[in-house]
Amino acid sequence: NAGVTQTPKFQVLKTGQSMTLQCAQDMNHNSMYWYRQDPGMGLRLIYYSASEGTTDKGEVPNGYNVSRLNKREFSLRLESAAPSQTSVYFCASELRDGLEAFFGQGTRLTVV
Amino acid sequence: AQSVTQLDSHVSVSEGTPVLLRCNYSSSYSPSLFWYVQHPNKGLQLLLKYTSAATLVKGINGFEAEFKKSETSFHLTKPSAHMSDAAEYFCVVRGGTGRRALTFGSGTRLQVQP
Repeated sequence: NAGVTQTPKFQVLKTGQSMTLQCAQDMNHNSMYWYRQDPGMGLRLIYYSASEGTTDKGEVPNGYNVSRLNKREFSLRLESAAPSQTSVYFCASELRDGLEAFFGQGTRLTVV
Repeated sequence: AQSVTQLDSHVSVSEGTPVLLRCNYSSSYSPSLFWYVQHPNKGLQLLLKYTSAATLVKGINGFEAEFKKSETSFHLTKPSAHMSDAAEYFCVVRGGTGRRALTFGSGTRLQVQP
């Protein structure tokens, strides 16, 4: 039972490079989320997808795009990475409101 | 809008002594509240959740939290700390930017001294 799987686990980018963070869940969950975690700030929502085919902005969406490829997969793209995007990124999924959200192990991204 | 405030960024206790991690919430309606734990370099794990049933909520690993509407608080407690409890703890409320999303507090780092 894999749960929520994120790839890669670690990544170093140069300023201006692009990359896509991948997330997949095998629990048949409807909702999926991308958060970033920075020291002293908890986790902040970047984008979320309430169901397949829909995406919405969260608290800190600037500089990111997302794709809900199908029910299982929700990817996060950085088109032109900036040092301010150095962070740990977490993907999460849940079946519906009020139930437990399951988190991936995180992707540690450094932009130099 | 929903928000949570964790009143302590760091808490240090001795092994075997009680743990108290404080959280106040702000919500325009009856909230769903959660505590998550994050061990170093790990993902997040749900400790417990409150969804308007019993006000005293029991979670995993001996943790519990009490929802107090009059005080807008949802403090996390454990009678006796264990070394393995050392981690970062997040108080979380459902709602905020994106009705369905979770809004996190800034976290409390718990240290357990031998």
